Amino acid sequence: DSGVTQTPKHLITATGQRVTLRCSPRSGDLSVYWYQQSLDQGLQFLIQYYNGEERAKGNILERFSAQQFPDLHSELNLSSLELGDSALYFCASRRDRGDPDTQYFGPGTRLTVL
Amino acid sequence: GEDVEQSLFLSVREGDSSVINCTYTDSSSTYLYWYKQEPGAGLQLLTYIFSNMDMKQDQRLTVLLNKKDKHLSLRIADTQTGDSAIYFCAENDYGQNFVFGPGTRLSVLP
Repeated sequence: DSGVTQTPKHLITATGQRVTLRCSPRSGDLSVYWYQQSLDQGLQFLIQYYNGEERAKGNILERFSAQQFPDLHSELNLSSLELGDSALYFCASRRDRGDPDTQYFGPGTRLTVL
Repeated sequence: GEDVEQSLFLSVREGDSSVINCTYTDSSSTYLYWYKQEPGAGLQLLTYIFSNMDMKQDQRLTVLLNKKDKHLSLRIADTQTGDSAIYFCAENDYGQNFVFGPGTRLSVLP
């Protein structure tokens, strides 16, 4: 158990809908990263938040957005869903101090868009 | 931009050693990592190596780093069926950016 939690574990929805994925980082970790893992694209970095502020952006679509709240949990919002958005969505947290400064991954949310 | 490459598949027989290779392009990488992903699960940190080291051993795992060639390898001794998974190499340059390879799917044959 990495200490990172994600809800829900599975999500099935229809095209055009909007969903929210939730991530709680390990206690004391300030950074949250979001990744999308699909069969044909591998692990794609989406976005990173540090202590409530956006720190880095990767291959995140405009239809997607995220935020990190004062208690450091984060939400990833996916809107106008398309079939191609079906994937595993992972969050990872990082302490941002100490060595080694690595990421710890949550169990993921499997999104299926029908 | 930074890039990390791995071969996509590896098959070995139970009891043999597995060697998973990775190459990276960012010469400022400070830490290099190996993660394991079992079916339906998240990525689990297996081990890491600091860039000023050549080798790190942790039980059945041996990590070798050739910084000149930007080549990283993970050797699993006495490979078991429970080692069947996808193994990701990743690098970090002390900044915010982690770059992951595409993953190597290890199949262990009985």
